[in-house]
Amino acid sequence: AQTVTQSQPEMSVQEAETVTLSCTYDTSENNYYLFWYKQPPSRQMILVIRQEAYKQQNATENRFSVNFQKAAKSFSLKISDSQLGDTAMYFCAFMKRASGTYKYIFGTGTRLKVLA
Amino acid sequence: NAGVTQTPKFQVLKTGQSMTLQCAQDMNHNSMYWYRQDPGMGLRLIYYSASEGTTDKGEVPNGYNVSRLNKREFSLRLESAAPSQTSVYFCASSEERGIFGQGTRLTVV
Repeated sequence: AQTVTQSQPEMSVQEAETVTLSCTYDTSENNYYLFWYKQPPSRQMILVIRQEAYKQQNATENRFSVNFQKAAKSFSLKISDSQLGDTAMYFCAFMKRASGTYKYIFGTGTRLKVLA
Repeated sequence: NAGVTQTPKFQVLKTGQSMTLQCAQDMNHNSMYWYRQDPGMGLRLIYYSASEGTTDKGEVPNGYNVSRLNKREFSLRLESAAPSQTSVYFCASSEERGIFGQGTRLTVV
């Protein structure tokens, strides 16, 4: 069975600094997707970034980038030039296609606070 | 804007009452999901639907029922609410990326 582990329950970073959130996962699958979702105080789950496992190149979305290490089963999120609006809960998620649908496993989240 | 719409946003129920949470998506996705979110436990899958007319149990289905009315709509019903069902509920739909609704904060007293 797949598992997703986020070992940092809480983190803080100064505004304009860079922070890295960790995520490790366990799977025997070769084809899958990995995601980072942001959940601000508004409660909305917002997709931040997506990585296909078959792609070696790390995904980037503006200030957000990932370090995907497939052999190590590691998928960290780097936020550059942190902004106050980045304060949120961040969830790492694993997804694979199975039985005609998409099966997701979520980590327990990292609460990030950006300090002014 | 395209996305997932779920209603209501907030609800308070008395123990034993019933209610249905509604969810609709306009992205033509086949797969839809209902999750609950509790503090420190991430998201747990209640039920999912791989396509119109099919539903399957997830990790925590007890106390819930679902209906995939058509491709767009996937509802979650609590037949007899219990305090243990106090939670935030999310509907989501997916092809190769999961898109979530805004969530429903449900309190059972």
